[in-house]
Amino acid sequence: AQTVTQSQPEMSVQEAETVTLSCTYDTSESDYYLFWYKQPPSRQMILVIRQEAYKQQNATENRFSVNFQKAAKSFSLKISDSQLGDAAMYFCAFSGSARQLTFGSGTQLTVLP
Amino acid sequence: GAVVSQHPSWVICKSGTSVKIECRSLDFQATTMFWYRQFPKQSLMLMATSNEGSKATYEQGVEKDKFLINHASLTLSTLTVTSAHPEDSSFYICSAPSPLAKNIQYFGAGTRLSVL
Repeated sequence: AQTVTQSQPEMSVQEAETVTLSCTYDTSESDYYLFWYKQPPSRQMILVIRQEAYKQQNATENRFSVNFQKAAKSFSLKISDSQLGDAAMYFCAFSGSARQLTFGSGTQLTVLP
Repeated sequence: GAVVSQHPSWVICKSGTSVKIECRSLDFQATTMFWYRQFPKQSLMLMATSNEGSKATYEQGVEKDKFLINHASLTLSTLTVTSAHPEDSSFYICSAPSPLAKNIQYFGAGTRLSVL
């Protein structure tokens, strides 16, 4: 079974600054995907970024990038130039052969003006 | 893009009644859909995998007779909470895998269930 661990229940960042959210996971599978999802107060799940395990290059989507360390089973999210609209709950998630998602416990991000 | 519609968005019911939640894939077919449950300020926990034309696969600890899942067509899965009690009050979210992008899930907007 897979496990996903987010050790930061809450984080805060000043507007325009950079913040990094941590995530570690454990799996015996070799082919899998890792995700960061954002859940704003509306509770709609929004995909932020996706990383395929077999790709060594870290995924990037505009201001969002990841640091994927496969050997260490670490998958952190960096948000650059933070904006007020980035405030939300962020979930790290794993998807393997079964296709369902296993989520971490989440990190509540506050952006300070 | 592909959309998953979930209905209703919020339902209040009396204890002992049953509530049905619908999850529809609007412009694609989904032979599999997933149902998650989320308590306040907690993570999403997979309840069951809904399989079109066959029985759902339930996660350990989820009561099959309590949470009835039906996936009768390629675009519709339903979750029925039977004989609901206050402890069933939660946020329920469905998702469907993208037919094109491997391991991408499309999420419904969720259903907030309040049992009085």
